[in-house]
Amino acid sequence: LAKTTQPISMDSYEGQEVNITCSHNNIATNDYITWYQQFPSQGPRFIIQGYKTKVTNEVASLFIPADRKSSTLSLPRVSLSDTAVYYCLVGDIRGQNTNAGKSTFGDGTTLTVKP
Amino acid sequence: DADVTQTPRNRITKTGKRIMLECSQTKGHDRMYWYRQDPGLGLRLIYYSFDVKDINKGEISDGYSVSRQAQAKFSLSLESAIPNQTALYFCATSDPSSGRGTGELFFGEGSRLTVL
Repeated sequence: LAKTTQPISMDSYEGQEVNITCSHNNIATNDYITWYQQFPSQGPRFIIQGYKTKVTNEVASLFIPADRKSSTLSLPRVSLSDTAVYYCLVGDIRGQNTNAGKSTFGDGTTLTVKP
Repeated sequence: DADVTQTPRNRITKTGKRIMLECSQTKGHDRMYWYRQDPGLGLRLIYYSFDVKDINKGEISDGYSVSRQAQAKFSLSLESAIPNQTALYFCATSDPSSGRGTGELFFGEGSRLTVL
Protein backbone atom coordinates (compact mmCIF):
# COMPACT_ATOMS: atom_id res chain seq x y z
CA LEU A 1 0.00 0.00 0.00
CA ALA A 2 1.21 3.46 -0.86
CA LYS A 3 1.97 5.43 2.29
CA THR A 4 1.11 9.11 2.14
CA THR A 5 2.72 12.06 3.91
CA GLN A 6 1.12 15.48 4.27
CA PRO A 7 1.87 18.56 6.37
CA ILE A 8 0.06 18.37 9.68
CA SER A 9 -1.38 21.86 9.48
CA MET A 10 -1.53 25.01 7.37
CA ASP A 11 -2.88 28.49 7.94
CA SER A 12 -4.23 30.87 5.33
CA TYR A 13 -6.35 33.99 4.97
CA GLU A 14 -9.60 34.47 3.15
CA GLY A 15 -9.17 35.07 -0.54
CA GLN A 16 -5.76 33.43 -0.81
CA GLU A 17 -4.86 30.39 -2.86
CA VAL A 18 -3.86 27.36 -0.80
CA ASN A 19 -1.67 24.52 -2.01
CA ILE A 20 -1.44 21.29 -0.01
CA THR A 21 1.14 18.73 -1.07
CA CYS A 22 1.01 14.99 -0.49
CA SER A 23 3.99 12.66 -0.91
CA HIS A 24 3.39 9.09 -2.04
CA ASN A 25 6.76 7.69 -3.08
CA ASN A 26 5.66 4.09 -3.57
CA ILE A 27 2.55 4.76 -5.62
CA ALA A 28 1.65 1.82 -7.85
CA THR A 29 0.89 1.89 -11.55
CA ASN A 30 -2.85 1.37 -11.09
CA ASP A 31 -3.22 3.80 -8.20
CA TYR A 32 -5.28 6.97 -8.44
CA ILE A 33 -4.87 10.00 -6.18
CA THR A 34 -8.02 11.24 -4.53
CA TRP A 35 -8.50 14.13 -2.13
CA TYR A 36 -11.18 14.36 0.52
CA GLN A 37 -12.37 17.12 2.84
CA GLN A 38 -13.59 16.43 6.36
CA PHE A 39 -15.39 18.73 8.79
CA PRO A 40 -15.52 17.88 12.52
CA SER A 41 -17.76 14.91 13.35
CA GLN A 42 -18.66 14.35 9.70
CA GLY A 43 -17.55 11.79 7.17
CA PRO A 44 -15.00 12.82 4.54
CA ARG A 45 -16.31 14.24 1.27
CA PHE A 46 -14.78 13.79 -2.20
CA ILE A 47 -13.04 16.83 -3.68
CA ILE A 48 -11.07 15.71 -6.72
CA GLN A 49 -9.27 12.76 -8.27
CA GLY A 50 -6.45 12.40 -10.76
CA TYR A 51 -3.97 9.97 -12.28
CA LYS A 52 -1.40 12.27 -13.88
CA THR A 53 -0.85 15.87 -15.01
CA LYS A 54 -3.56 18.33 -14.04
CA VAL A 55 -7.22 17.97 -13.17
CA THR A 56 -9.58 20.85 -12.45
CA ASN A 57 -13.16 20.92 -11.27
CA GLU A 58 -15.48 23.54 -9.86
CA VAL A 59 -13.83 23.61 -6.43
CA ALA A 60 -10.16 22.66 -6.83
CA SER A 61 -7.25 21.72 -9.03
CA LEU A 62 -4.95 18.75 -8.67
CA PHE A 63 -1.40 18.80 -9.98
CA ILE A 64 0.49 15.54 -10.41
CA PRO A 65 4.08 15.50 -11.73
CA ALA A 66 5.27 12.95 -14.25
CA ASP A 67 6.82 10.64 -11.65
CA ARG A 68 3.52 10.68 -9.68
CA LYS A 69 5.39 10.52 -6.37
CA SER A 70 3.60 13.57 -5.07
CA SER A 71 0.48 15.58 -5.75
CA THR A 72 -0.69 19.08 -4.90
CA LEU A 73 -4.25 20.10 -4.14
CA SER A 74 -4.88 23.72 -5.00
CA LEU A 75 -7.84 25.60 -3.50
CA PRO A 76 -8.40 28.99 -5.15
CA ARG A 77 -9.53 31.94 -3.07
CA VAL A 78 -10.33 30.11 0.16
CA SER A 79 -13.07 31.22 2.52
CA LEU A 80 -13.68 30.58 6.22
CA SER A 81 -15.87 27.62 5.29
CA ASP A 82 -12.86 25.86 3.77
CA THR A 83 -11.45 25.35 7.27
CA ALA A 84 -11.30 21.56 7.50
CA VAL A 85 -9.00 18.55 7.36
CA TYR A 86 -7.85 17.51 3.89
CA TYR A 87 -6.83 13.94 3.14
CA CYS A 88 -4.86 12.52 0.28
CA LEU A 89 -5.90 8.95 -0.58
CA VAL A 90 -3.83 6.76 -2.88
CA GLY A 91 -5.03 3.45 -4.20
CA ASP A 92 -6.48 1.41 -7.03
CA ILE A 93 -9.92 2.64 -6.06
CA ARG A 94 -11.37 2.04 -9.49
CA GLY A 95 -10.02 -1.50 -9.73
CA GLN A 96 -12.14 -4.61 -9.95
CA ASN A 97 -10.12 -6.96 -7.77
CA THR A 98 -10.47 -6.81 -4.02
CA ASN A 99 -7.11 -5.09 -3.56
CA ALA A 100 -8.91 -2.03 -4.85
CA GLY A 101 -10.43 -1.70 -1.41
CA LYS A 102 -7.11 -1.17 0.30
CA SER A 103 -6.67 2.53 -0.25
CA THR A 104 -4.78 4.29 2.51
CA PHE A 105 -5.71 7.54 4.19
CA GLY A 106 -2.88 9.57 5.70
CA ASP A 107 -3.28 11.67 8.82
CA GLY A 108 -4.49 14.67 6.84
CA THR A 109 -3.70 18.38 6.78
CA THR A 110 -5.69 20.69 9.02
CA LEU A 111 -6.30 23.89 7.09
CA THR A 112 -7.31 26.93 9.10
CA VAL A 113 -8.58 29.91 7.14
CA LYS A 114 -8.48 33.21 9.00
CA PRO A 115 -10.47 36.36 8.27
CA ASP B 1 -32.73 11.08 4.13
CA ALA B 2 -29.03 10.22 4.14
CA ASP B 3 -27.79 7.79 1.49
CA VAL B 4 -25.54 6.03 4.03
CA THR B 5 -27.06 5.63 7.48
CA GLN B 6 -25.26 4.48 10.59
CA THR B 7 -26.82 3.38 13.86
CA PRO B 8 -26.31 4.11 16.65
CA ARG B 9 -24.78 7.57 16.28
CA ASN B 10 -23.46 7.50 19.81
CA ARG B 11 -22.90 4.60 22.17
CA ILE B 12 -21.30 4.23 25.58
CA THR B 13 -20.57 0.74 26.75
CA LYS B 14 -18.42 -1.16 29.22
CA THR B 15 -15.35 -3.31 28.74
CA GLY B 16 -16.22 -6.83 27.70
CA LYS B 17 -19.62 -6.05 26.19
CA ARG B 18 -20.55 -7.06 22.67
CA ILE B 19 -21.38 -4.12 20.43
CA MET B 20 -22.81 -3.98 16.91
CA LEU B 21 -22.69 -0.95 14.67
CA GLU B 22 -25.01 -1.05 11.70
CA CYS B 23 -24.78 0.56 8.30
CA SER B 24 -27.40 0.69 5.59
CA GLN B 25 -27.24 2.40 2.20
CA THR B 26 -29.70 3.39 -0.49
CA LYS B 27 -27.11 4.12 -3.17
CA GLY B 28 -27.22 0.63 -4.65
CA HIS B 29 -23.47 0.27 -4.35
CA ASP B 30 -21.84 -3.14 -4.13
CA ARG B 31 -18.77 -2.01 -2.16
CA MET B 32 -19.00 -1.19 1.52
CA TYR B 33 -16.33 -0.30 4.07
CA TRP B 34 -15.82 0.22 7.79
CA TYR B 35 -13.23 2.75 8.96
CA ARG B 36 -12.06 3.82 12.37
CA GLN B 37 -10.88 7.34 13.21
CA ASP B 38 -9.03 8.27 16.39
CA PRO B 39 -8.72 11.93 17.49
CA GLY B 40 -6.31 13.88 15.33
CA LEU B 41 -5.62 10.94 13.07
CA GLY B 42 -6.74 9.75 9.69
CA LEU B 43 -9.12 6.95 8.86
CA ARG B 44 -7.94 3.37 9.11
CA LEU B 45 -9.67 0.58 7.23
CA ILE B 46 -11.11 -2.21 9.37
CA TYR B 47 -13.00 -4.38 6.87
CA TYR B 48 -14.44 -4.03 3.41
CA SER B 49 -16.81 -5.99 1.23
CA PHE B 50 -17.21 -6.00 -2.54
CA ASP B 51 -20.43 -8.00 -2.52
CA VAL B 52 -22.54 -10.09 -0.18
CA LYS B 53 -20.22 -13.10 -0.42
CA ASP B 54 -16.98 -11.14 -0.27
CA ILE B 55 -15.42 -9.93 3.00
CA ASN B 56 -11.85 -8.65 3.28
CA LYS B 57 -9.68 -7.58 6.18
CA GLY B 58 -8.27 -4.09 6.24
CA GLU B 59 -5.36 -2.63 8.20
CA ILE B 60 -6.77 -3.13 11.69
CA SER B 61 -9.25 -6.02 11.71
CA ASP B 62 -8.13 -7.63 15.00
CA GLY B 63 -10.88 -7.42 17.60
CA TYR B 64 -13.58 -6.75 15.00
CA SER B 65 -15.88 -8.85 12.83
CA VAL B 66 -18.36 -7.93 10.11
CA SER B 67 -21.47 -9.27 8.46
CA ARG B 68 -22.82 -8.35 5.03
CA GLN B 69 -26.46 -9.28 5.41
CA ALA B 70 -27.55 -7.85 2.08
CA GLN B 71 -26.23 -5.53 -0.59
CA ALA B 72 -27.52 -2.60 1.42
CA LYS B 73 -26.42 -3.66 4.90
CA PHE B 74 -22.97 -4.06 6.46
CA SER B 75 -22.56 -4.48 10.21
CA LEU B 76 -19.46 -4.16 12.37
CA SER B 77 -19.21 -6.07 15.64
CA LEU B 78 -16.90 -5.79 18.59
CA GLU B 79 -17.18 -9.17 20.29
CA SER B 80 -15.64 -8.00 23.56
CA ALA B 81 -15.12 -4.25 23.61
CA ILE B 82 -12.01 -2.76 25.18
CA PRO B 83 -11.23 0.89 26.00
CA ASN B 84 -8.74 1.35 23.15
CA GLN B 85 -11.58 0.68 20.72
CA THR B 86 -13.04 4.01 21.74
CA ALA B 87 -13.18 5.90 18.46
CA LEU B 88 -15.36 7.36 15.72
CA TYR B 89 -16.44 4.69 13.25
CA PHE B 90 -17.42 5.43 9.67
CA CYS B 91 -19.19 3.30 7.13
CA ALA B 92 -18.68 4.07 3.44
CA THR B 93 -19.82 2.81 0.05
CA SER B 94 -18.43 3.06 -3.46
CA ASP B 95 -19.10 1.94 -7.00
CA PRO B 96 -16.38 2.56 -9.59
CA SER B 97 -18.82 2.28 -12.47
CA SER B 98 -21.35 4.86 -11.31
CA GLY B 99 -21.48 8.65 -11.39
CA ARG B 100 -18.09 10.16 -12.05
CA GLY B 101 -16.49 6.73 -12.35
CA THR B 102 -13.92 7.66 -9.75
CA GLY B 103 -14.65 5.01 -7.15
CA GLU B 104 -15.60 7.88 -4.86
CA LEU B 105 -16.25 6.88 -1.24
CA PHE B 106 -19.58 8.02 0.20
CA PHE B 107 -19.47 8.18 4.00
CA GLY B 108 -22.09 7.94 6.68
CA GLU B 109 -22.25 10.44 9.52
CA GLY B 110 -20.26 8.28 11.88
CA SER B 111 -20.86 6.30 15.06
CA ARG B 112 -19.09 7.54 18.15
CA LEU B 113 -18.26 4.63 20.46
CA THR B 114 -16.95 5.02 23.99
CA VAL B 115 -15.77 1.95 25.88
CA LEU B 116 -15.38 2.49 29.62
